[in-house]
Amino acid sequence: AQKITQTQPGMFVQEKEAVTLDCTYDTSDPSYGLFWYKQPSSGEMIFLIYQGSYDQQNATEGRYSLNFQKARKSANLVISASQLGDSAMYFCAMREPGGATNKLIFGTGTLLAVQP
Amino acid sequence: DTGVSQNPRHKITKRGQNVTFRCDPISEHNRLYWYRQTLGQGPEFLTYFQNEAQLEKSRLLSDRFSAERPKGSFSTLEIQRTEQGDSAMYLCASSLPQDRVNEQYFGPGTRLTVT
Repeated sequence: AQKITQTQPGMFVQEKEAVTLDCTYDTSDPSYGLFWYKQPSSGEMIFLIYQGSYDQQNATEGRYSLNFQKARKSANLVISASQLGDSAMYFCAMREPGGATNKLIFGTGTLLAVQP
Repeated sequence: DTGVSQNPRHKITKRGQNVTFRCDPISEHNRLYWYRQTLGQGPEFLTYFQNEAQLEKSRLLSDRFSAERPKGSFSTLEIQRTEQGDSAMYLCASSLPQDRVNEQYFGPGTRLTVT
């Protein structure tokens, strides 16, 4: 069965420093997609970055980059130059491989606190 | 604002009452999803619509839950005879199938508290 594991319940980082949020996944399907979402205290899930299993390069979106290590089945999110507004829950998710619905399977999340 | 909207944002109800939530997706999105998120967990899939057809339901969706998308636009999620275990955030998301990423755009959620 497909599964997403986020082992860091909470992380602290100093403003302007970089931070890595860990995510490992489990699937036997060769075709899959991985997402990171940010959830502020307001509750809305905000899409950050996407990595397809066949993408040749690691995804980057502004200050966000994804450290994709396919053999290790990991897709860690790197946030560079942290800002106070980055304080939020971060969820790693996988699009259900082989399914027709493209539903997302989420991890349990990591709460990031950016300190001034 | 052309994002996904959900109403109400908060709902407090007594055990045994029925509640209904509404989701208005982004207008051109024909795919619509409902998820449930309990405290300290990630969202869990409940059900999926493509246009007006409900194509998949999770085992989490007991007989007390029903969802509709009558004209392929907005969707409603009804919970009958609510139980305290139904207390959660109910999230709606929509997407376009043609997009390679198939990014799901989420609404702000409806937080349900059953007392």
